[in-house]
Amino acid sequence: GAVVSQHPSRVICKSGTSVKIECRSLDFQATTMFWYRQFPKQSLMLMATSNEGSKATYEQGVEKDKFLINHASLTLSTLTVTSAHPEDSSFYICSARTGGEKLFFGSGTQLSVL
Amino acid sequence: GDSVTQMEGPVTLSEEAFLTINCTYTATGYPSLFWYVQYPGEGLQLLLKATKADDKGSNKGFEATYRKETTSFHLEKGSVQVSDSAVYFCALTGQGAQKLVFGQGTRLTINP
Repeated sequence: GAVVSQHPSRVICKSGTSVKIECRSLDFQATTMFWYRQFPKQSLMLMATSNEGSKATYEQGVEKDKFLINHASLTLSTLTVTSAHPEDSSFYICSARTGGEKLFFGSGTQLSVL
Repeated sequence: GDSVTQMEGPVTLSEEAFLTINCTYTATGYPSLFWYVQYPGEGLQLLLKATKADDKGSNKGFEATYRKETTSFHLEKGSVQVSDSAVYFCALTGQGAQKLVFGQGTRLTINP
């Protein structure tokens, strides 16, 4: 089946630094990618929807200036957590949608901000 | 808004035991319902789905029936294996919506 590669799988950073997470569709073109966040014992929450070549659409309550999403090509979307703080520590996961409307997920990134 | 509630984990069972992971939902209209599974180190994968009331989704020995009267979509398997150890997510898309709404996930561990 289709593969979505998410990198890194785990990152630890200092408070105030920025972290970039990459999401690549390896064997298909993804016009739409989604970014989710999961806090411990809570649901996966949709953060934003990104369409190739256009600005991302953010869910209510998600700061677009803090969580920068770039979807520059049909196979790559990036999420940058700017000026990260301990409360941003979470599990981030991306998904990509094929032209046939199927969804495939990355394996997730565990972010820990010290 | 739409929401999904799963039974809290973690769940630990012995091999060949019967599995039930409860899932209930709140949604207007007629959502589509899904179970996703995440094996260690991998992305979420669609396990099964049901798109209308009384539909039964099944895959790899797992089953779930769309029960509108109880707003439930419980996951069951008659005899679990060690390889079923994973995190299981119940999810829905609301009628006419494209976004997936997830439950919090249930970690399942099967001991030999």
